[in-house]
Amino acid sequence: AQKITQTQPGMFVQEKEAVTLDCTYDTSDQSYGLFWYKQPSSGEMIFLIYQGSYDEQNATEGRYSLNFQKARKSANLVISASQLGDSAMYFCAMREPLTAQKLVFGQGTRLTINP
Amino acid sequence: GAVVSQHPSWVICKSGTSVKIECRSLDFQATTMFWYRQFPKQSLMLMATSNEGSKATYEQGVEKDKFLINHASLTLSTLTVTSAHPEDSSFYICSASRGRSYNEQFFGPGTRLTVL
Repeated sequence: AQKITQTQPGMFVQEKEAVTLDCTYDTSDQSYGLFWYKQPSSGEMIFLIYQGSYDEQNATEGRYSLNFQKARKSANLVISASQLGDSAMYFCAMREPLTAQKLVFGQGTRLTINP
Repeated sequence: GAVVSQHPSWVICKSGTSVKIECRSLDFQATTMFWYRQFPKQSLMLMATSNEGSKATYEQGVEKDKFLINHASLTLSTLTVTSAHPEDSSFYICSASRGRSYNEQFFGPGTRLTVL
């Protein structure tokens, strides 16, 4: 069974608009961590944001926020005021249990910001 | 801080030859290093996890004899693709962890391998 599902292969958004990238996950563990990474065309993986399963508040990092809905097992990434430089692949990943170090990645969403 | 480098950044080799890729943690000691493979337009797939001084743990379906991993020190892990074939052409990315904290996994810039 797919652990991490990203249902949007591609997204096209106008510059300055907000965008939500979807991520759902499957786990029976109570303790887990959810991550979002950005991968520009250069290939490097850039850590964006993290949400722990026990965190009561949604994580935020600058223009990035994570809409964590535990009951629905979703961890959507919201990018506010998108910029041209946000065009990249975005991967959702999970670490379960939280004490493990292995990351399982979703298939990714290619985000394109149009001027 | 927390910089991970990979060398080479890209390599082209002939079928049947072996290729070694290095992953270094430049400013911290990495207790664990991970090797991922990423085919074009696909996600990262974990190949193996290595801890300094011990044998690597390979994911199901990854050939141990083909992808040799050595984690000889706390700052260096190497991946050797032995007898490479065109189907091994891929983007190989390493990451390094220095502890158990959630954000303690740092990725290298990747190595693009092309086997002719």
